[in-house]
Amino acid sequence: DTGVSQDPRHKITKRGQNVTFRCDPISEHNRLYWYRQTLGQGPEFLTYFQNEAQLEKSRLLSDRFSAERPKGSFSTLEIQRTEQGDSAMYLCASSPGGGLADTQYFGPGTRLTVL
Amino acid sequence: GIQVEQSPPDLILQEGANSTLRCNFSDSVNNLQWFHQNPWGQLINLFYIPSGTKQNGRLSATTVATERYSLLYISSSQTTDSGVYFCAVVSKGRRALTFGSGTRLQVQP
Repeated sequence: DTGVSQDPRHKITKRGQNVTFRCDPISEHNRLYWYRQTLGQGPEFLTYFQNEAQLEKSRLLSDRFSAERPKGSFSTLEIQRTEQGDSAMYLCASSPGGGLADTQYFGPGTRLTVL
Repeated sequence: GIQVEQSPPDLILQEGANSTLRCNFSDSVNNLQWFHQNPWGQLINLFYIPSGTKQNGRLSATTVATERYSLLYISSSQTTDSGVYFCAVVSKGRRALTFGSGTRLQVQP
């Protein structure tokens, strides 16, 4: 049983460029989450999918951010017109869904640096 | 929204010592998880423990849901235990985890 995988692991980009990250959840996990973590802080929720439906978005998810989960499998997170304040670790998690014992498992993250 | 407070923020131990990390939360929760974040940023699941007590080797955790706190015990600490420990909760009616600000643990040889 492979864990959550994310690609790329590191991304360096110039301000104003667009970037896209991919997350592959644990197979058969219905729920997928994106979080963002800045230096010295705990992760903060960005958005959540139940299968292919995006059910919740944080106020942190500005108009420059968009996430998709086509066919309820992998997910992508795109940031348009990146700003230096977008520099952070972007974490993806998945959980099986159904019932209350819904443990979230995290991927290794994508570290974004905006120059 | 729900507030999660962790204490202490920093902890330095000698190898072999025991420690207790605390997590207070401000509202009822459906889910509480403890994580260890390694130096590469990977969040490693330690416990799913919305209530009760669990043990896994040198680690154990207790959550008293009615009093809105959880404790993580580390016994006979090792240098590999170093890193940041996060408590995270899911409040009722939500799905996302809300994280505390973490306890940074350093175990010295």
